[in-house]
Amino acid sequence: KQEVTQIPAALSVPEGENLVLNCSFTDSAIYNLQWFRQDPGKGLTSLLLIQSSQREQTSGRLNASLDKSSGRSTLYIAASQPGDSATYLCAVYGGNKLVFGAGTILRVKS
Amino acid sequence: EAEVAQSPRYKITEKSQAVAFWCDPISGHATLYWYRQILGQGPELLVQFQDESVVDDSQLPKDRFSAERLKGVDSTLKIQPAELGDSAMYLCASSSAGLLGTGELFFGEGSRLTVL
Repeated sequence: KQEVTQIPAALSVPEGENLVLNCSFTDSAIYNLQWFRQDPGKGLTSLLLIQSSQREQTSGRLNASLDKSSGRSTLYIAASQPGDSATYLCAVYGGNKLVFGAGTILRVKS
Repeated sequence: EAEVAQSPRYKITEKSQAVAFWCDPISGHATLYWYRQILGQGPELLVQFQDESVVDDSQLPKDRFSAERLKGVDSTLKIQPAELGDSAMYLCASSSAGLLGTGELFFGEGSRLTVL
């Protein structure tokens, strides 16, 4: 059974810092990995999708990497801003199921 | 920009009552998912449709929950009777990728259920 773990559970940083969110998964037989952002009381917004054959994806200040063999992904946020404050969730697709981690709550202080 | 539509956004009900949630996926998306998210946790899959067919409902509490997607477009999730433990956010998502799920999932804003 696939299990997804996100570390840290919560993170508070000053504005302007670069930061890394971590995601690990137990079964490396995945088709893709997706990072989402969730604002309080809202749905999930897709940030980046990495196919199993890819090593990384970039969108603006966001960069996500995937190391399938070690079961790890990282989301790098450059020059963080207060508007980046949200919960970040990673999800892996494998065995016809999308399994989510519990998320990292990020607070960027101005 | 195309979006996944969900209604209602908020629902407050008493236990033992019936509730229903509606989802309209992005046009052309064959795969539709219903997830339940308890506060502080990641979403958990309740049911997955490919067109009008159920692909996975192994985590759906079938004694009280039902889901349908009759014409392979919009979908309804029903709970009857609602229990206190059903209080959660119910999220609908859609994808164009088919059974292999190689595509991106797009989520609606969710329906927040509170059972009193």
